[in-house]
Amino acid sequence: QSALTQPASVSGSPGQSITFSCTGTSSDVGSYNLVSWYQQLPGKAPKLVVYEVSQRPSGVSNRFSGSKSGNTASLTISGLQAEDEADYYCCSYAGSGTYVVFGGGTKLTVL
Amino acid sequence: QVQLQESGPGLVKPSETLSLTCTVSGGSISSHYWSWIRQPPGKGLEWIGYIYYSGSTNYNPSLKSRVTISIDTSNNQFSLRLTSVTAADTAVYYCARDGTGAWYFDLWGRGTLVTVSS
Repeated sequence: QSALTQPASVSGSPGQSITFSCTGTSSDVGSYNLVSWYQQLPGKAPKLVVYEVSQRPSGVSNRFSGSKSGNTASLTISGLQAEDEADYYCCSYAGSGTYVVFGGGTKLTVL
Repeated sequence: QVQLQESGPGLVKPSETLSLTCTVSGGSISSHYWSWIRQPPGKGLEWIGYIYYSGSTNYNPSLKSRVTISIDTSNNQFSLRLTSVTAADTAVYYCARDGTGAWYFDLWGRGTLVTVSS
């Protein structure tokens, strides 16, 4: 059982926008602007695509954007492309003692 | 550019100790936080713990009793020891960098599969 809740799968067509949700609690997502998102292509290591809720690392496409409302964080990919097909994981700081929690991941299928 | 590479045995017997090393190349291990994260086959990610270059550590409370992370700044390496392993510890183990202390991982190793089996 992961600490953060993500839907198991989502799908979309090329060119569409798609949003992933990540639901936590007032002890993690709701308390800190320290949510990050990772893209994991099959057989590869995760890659950081958003940090501190909405910041994009250098080199990450501006099609990726993040936001947060209450205990739920979201990652949106606009202009969906076939190369975006991957697993996406959210992660949040959860305070001293627990420190870091991940979501169970969402598998994105590009139709 | 900075790269991370995990190394260690791919097979560990139940009840024994899993030991892995992460070598940092292309940059210094100093002034960053260094984590271990694992992923059981077909499952999600689990943070194991981190070490700061000064040697201070924090661990996932669910693993704390079995985990030790250490650092060797002279060789630009940090290591993971996980004792009393069971089949549930079978996973791909990644080393990763938290470059700013803001609890996100901006650089990852390629990962190494460790299987616990007799």
